[in-house]
Amino acid sequence: QVQLQESGPGLVNPSETLSLTCSVSGYFITRAFYWGWMRQTPGGGLEWIGTISHSGSTYYNPSLKSRLTISMNTSKNQFSLKLTSVTAADTAVYYCTRGRYGGDGESWGRGTLVTVSS
Amino acid sequence: EIVLSQSPGTLSLSPGERATLSCRASESISNNYLGWYQQKPGQAPRLLIYGATNRATGIPDRFSGSGSETDFTLTITRLEPEDYAVYYCQQYGSSPITFGQGTRLDIK
Repeated sequence: QVQLQESGPGLVNPSETLSLTCSVSGYFITRAFYWGWMRQTPGGGLEWIGTISHSGSTYYNPSLKSRLTISMNTSKNQFSLKLTSVTAADTAVYYCTRGRYGGDGESWGRGTLVTVSS
Repeated sequence: EIVLSQSPGTLSLSPGERATLSCRASESISNNYLGWYQQKPGQAPRLLIYGATNRATGIPDRFSGSGSETDFTLTITRLEPEDYAVYYCQQYGSSPITFGQGTRLDIK
């Protein structure tokens, strides 16, 4: 059974870069499926951030595209998120996911809270 | 962008009752790529239904999804204590992928 685990700093300064990694166990990320990131704001709203396919194709939310990079590290069976020029609006719980169809979430990590504040 | 509107915002029902949750899309969802998720406090969302009508692995058969194009429904027959949570719909048929604002299911 696949397991996903987010890791990264819990506090990021405004205007800096938010970097998170999702470590995947129980399944090779290059074999199949789509691997993605979602976030949930303190108010509860869910937002799709972006997705990378098992072959490395990326799909980004247009509202974040100019600041966003999602990549894979196949040797470590991980994929990563980088979001530049963060503001307080980027404060959220960030989840990594696995989906069958793109941005769906068949499996989720437990989530990690990232706070943007000085 | 497809906007998903869920109703009601809050639903208060007793154990054993039937729950009907609605999700309405601002335009037709491609391939009926509509999912339903359950979220409990402090936990990640859990996929219940994909493709509008298909139960995800391990989901009890008291959960069912129906609908097409712009109108979708999640039905929970015979509510169990563990079913009280927030439910979200999501469309993944077109970019950007979007979620509804959620329906909170409370114990009456």
